Amino acid sequence: NAGVTQTPKFRVLKTGQSMTLLCAQDMNHEYMYWYRQDPGMGLRLIHYSVGEGTTAKGEVPDGYNVSRLKKQNFLLGLESAAPSQTSVYFCASSPPEATVYGYTFGSGTRLTVV
Amino acid sequence: DQQVKQNSPSLSVQEGRISILNCDYTNSMFDYFLWYKKYPAEGPTFLISISSIKDKNEDGRFTVFLNKSAKHLSLHIVPSQPGDSAVYFCAATVHRGAQKLVFGQGTRLTINP
Repeated sequence: NAGVTQTPKFRVLKTGQSMTLLCAQDMNHEYMYWYRQDPGMGLRLIHYSVGEGTTAKGEVPDGYNVSRLKKQNFLLGLESAAPSQTSVYFCASSPPEATVYGYTFGSGTRLTVV
Repeated sequence: DQQVKQNSPSLSVQEGRISILNCDYTNSMFDYFLWYKKYPAEGPTFLISISSIKDKNEDGRFTVFLNKSAKHLSLHIVPSQPGDSAVYFCAATVHRGAQKLVFGQGTRLTINP
């Protein structure tokens, strides 16, 4: 029972490079989310999806794009990485009853932009 | 504008005693509140939640209390165990639609033997 799997786990990028973070869930959850965690700021929502083919902006969407072509996958893209995007990125998924059972999070991707 | 605040960055408690973690919120539209626990190099894991129609919810050693008039909730852990040492996040949401969670900054709990 894998739950939510994030790849890669670590990455170092140079300013201006692009990359895609992959999130895969095997729980048939409708909703998926991307958060970033920075020291002293908790987790902040970047983008989210309420179903296959749908995406929406969260609290801090600038500099990121997302796609959900398949229900089980949610991709986060950085087109031109900046040092301010150095962070730990968490993907999560949930059923519509998330408020009772909570989200399921992946183990995170630590991204450093130099 | 921080809608969910955890004003204590850290808390140290002796093993066997009670741990109390606090959380305040400003948005009166929030109607569900959750607590997550996070170990280093892992994702947050769900602990317990409470609806705004309740003032208390209990699950084993964990109890969450909600004071709507004060916009304040707390997580009680009794008795505290060494494995409880982790970062605890409070989160809030509106129980409709995408149910996006708004997180506090986290409190690092250390249980001392």
